[in-house]
Amino acid sequence: EDQVTQSPEALRLQEGESSSLNCSYTVSGLRGLFWYRQDPGKGPEFLFTLYSAGEEKEKERLKATLTKKESFLHITAPKPEDSATYLCAVQAAQAGTALIFGKGTTLSVSS
Amino acid sequence: DTEVTQTPKHLVMGMTNKKSLKCEQHMGHRAMYWYKQKAKKPPELMFVYSYEKLSINESVPSRFSPECPNSSLLNLHLHALQPEDSALYLCASTPGEGNTIYFGEGSWLTVV
Repeated sequence: EDQVTQSPEALRLQEGESSSLNCSYTVSGLRGLFWYRQDPGKGPEFLFTLYSAGEEKEKERLKATLTKKESFLHITAPKPEDSATYLCAVQAAQAGTALIFGKGTTLSVSS
Repeated sequence: DTEVTQTPKHLVMGMTNKKSLKCEQHMGHRAMYWYKQKAKKPPELMFVYSYEKLSINESVPSRFSPECPNSSLLNLHLHALQPEDSALYLCASTPGEGNTIYFGEGSWLTVV
């Protein structure tokens, strides 16, 4: 069964304290792994798509990496405005275009 | 432009009402989705339309009725809902397999 597991469930950081969020997956044929940011009461905002092991993408303080079993979202020197829930999702070959989501990691950054 | 527009943003309806949620995208995307999201939970897939035809129905109760009038529009018709159906309803679209899926801001539904 296709599955996505994110850890930790919640993460509290001080401003400037770098850390990483983990997304481990089990899918039969990965078409793509997606990272989204979601603020309370809003729809998920697209961050990155990764397609193959070894791929990395960066955007401001965020960097996403992918291996054959997991993905990491590295947050460098976070700011309070980075506080949000970060969702990881995969698109599996046998599931068409639908996304399989993890439960998310809620990040809180305090100043 | 990667915009998926949902209306209304907020909807309160009684259990005997009939209402509709609307979704629009003008990116030429050929697949569109409805997801349901409860508080502190990830989005759950409800329906997938591919080339204006329903391709996936995740065993959603018949009180939810999707409709795709054309390639840019997706509706979700609501009838005889229950209070437990209160949630954030998200519309999304994508050009196709392996491509990014873009979400709208969602419609907050409260059933009273």
